[in-house]
Amino acid sequence: GAVVSQHPSRVICKSGTSVKIECRSLDFQATTMFWYRQFPKQSLMLMATSNEGSKATYEQGVEKDKFLINHASLTLSTLTVTSAHPEDSSFYICSAKAGPPYEQYFGPGTRLTVT
Amino acid sequence: KQEVTQIPAALSVPEGENLVLNCSFTDSAIYNLQWFRQDPGKGLTSLLLIQSSQREQTSGRLNASLDKSSGRSTLYIAASQPGDSATYLCAVDWFKAAGNKLTFGGGTRVLVKP
Repeated sequence: GAVVSQHPSRVICKSGTSVKIECRSLDFQATTMFWYRQFPKQSLMLMATSNEGSKATYEQGVEKDKFLINHASLTLSTLTVTSAHPEDSSFYICSAKAGPPYEQYFGPGTRLTVT
Repeated sequence: KQEVTQIPAALSVPEGENLVLNCSFTDSAIYNLQWFRQDPGKGLTSLLLIQSSQREQTSGRLNASLDKSSGRSTLYIAASQPGDSATYLCAVDWFKAAGNKLTFGGGTRVLVKP
């Protein structure tokens, strides 16, 4: 099956700093990528939908100025958590949508800890 | 509103027993439905995708059925093994009707006891 990678897998940063997470589709082109957040023992919460070359669509309640998404190419999307705070600590997962039948493939996730 | 529900939230079975995981969804006009597996601290692994026109998909010990009229999908795992212990998530794609995104159920946490 198709492979999606995320980097880094784990990151610890200090409060007030910014962190960038990369999501890459390794063996296919993805016109649409998605960013999710997951709290312990909960299901995934969609944060935003990212289309190549256009602005991301954010879900209600997600601050677009805090979670900056860039989808510069058909194989790369980045999520930047700006001015991170401890409450931003979470597991962030990206996914990429391939062509018909539009199956979604997920990355391995990034564990962010803000101290 | 388009919603996906998975009941029960947790399930424990002895090794060798068949697993039956349920997923129900509102709005039968789906585009496709995917079953995923998630191990603790890991991303999601796609298990099976059922397109709207299909009634079931099989892969090894896994079989997923789809009944759009009743708004249900069932994932069967035959002869369960301890390695099958994980959280299983069902997700529905209603395509443009839901912004081209997946709607997830809450998941079923499975424990297969040796």
